[in-house]
Amino acid sequence: AQSVTQLGSHVSVSEGALVLLRCNYSSSVPPYLFWYVQYPNQGLQLLLKYTTGATLVKGINGFEAEFKKSETSFHLTKPSAHMSDAAEYFCAVSGNTNAGKSTFGDGTTLTVKP
Amino acid sequence: DVKVTQSSRYLVKRTGEKVFLECVQDMDHENMFWYRQDPGLGLRLIYFSYDVKMKEKGDIPEGYSVSREKKERFSLILESASTNQTSMYLCASRFSDRVNTEAFFGQGTRLTVV
Repeated sequence: AQSVTQLGSHVSVSEGALVLLRCNYSSSVPPYLFWYVQYPNQGLQLLLKYTTGATLVKGINGFEAEFKKSETSFHLTKPSAHMSDAAEYFCAVSGNTNAGKSTFGDGTTLTVKP
Repeated sequence: DVKVTQSSRYLVKRTGEKVFLECVQDMDHENMFWYRQDPGLGLRLIYFSYDVKMKEKGDIPEGYSVSREKKERFSLILESASTNQTSMYLCASRFSDRVNTEAFFGQGTRLTVV
């Protein structure tokens, strides 16, 4: 079984401030972890993913995430928010025993204030 | 460039109608998925297909069926549309033997049932 919890359905930051979106997971097998972004009226697109190896993962648009097994977390960060980062963000987990199905969190809407 | 195409961006249907949502991918992916997205509920898996003519129920299959006659096409069918099926529907695909890879999403179909 696997599950994802995203803490905070809405996060608001000022332009230039640090972005931190929280994701905790549970998985009975070694997890593969993903962050996706969804802009208004669009589908989801991949920001970054953790599979194996380096636990600090860098993605597109200056985002990065760190896999912490001891904390079962995969939080998404960006040092300096830009207005274009306003979107909904989804954390997802999949494992190698579920035929490729991912379980998604409920999403976090990021608002960036000028 | 990889592509998942959903046939309609917006649909308005009447209660009781039979509704077809079509999805086509050009990446030769074995796995295809239909999700429903509602505010605050994230993405919920309706149906999953792991090969032609093969399907598996997801978390919320009631009121829906699917068809996969060709590898590239996965259709979602609402047998008798109801107002509680008003939602955003997202199609996705991925390789079956690469569970550490991301899913690719279509742009979504926003369905309104009146």
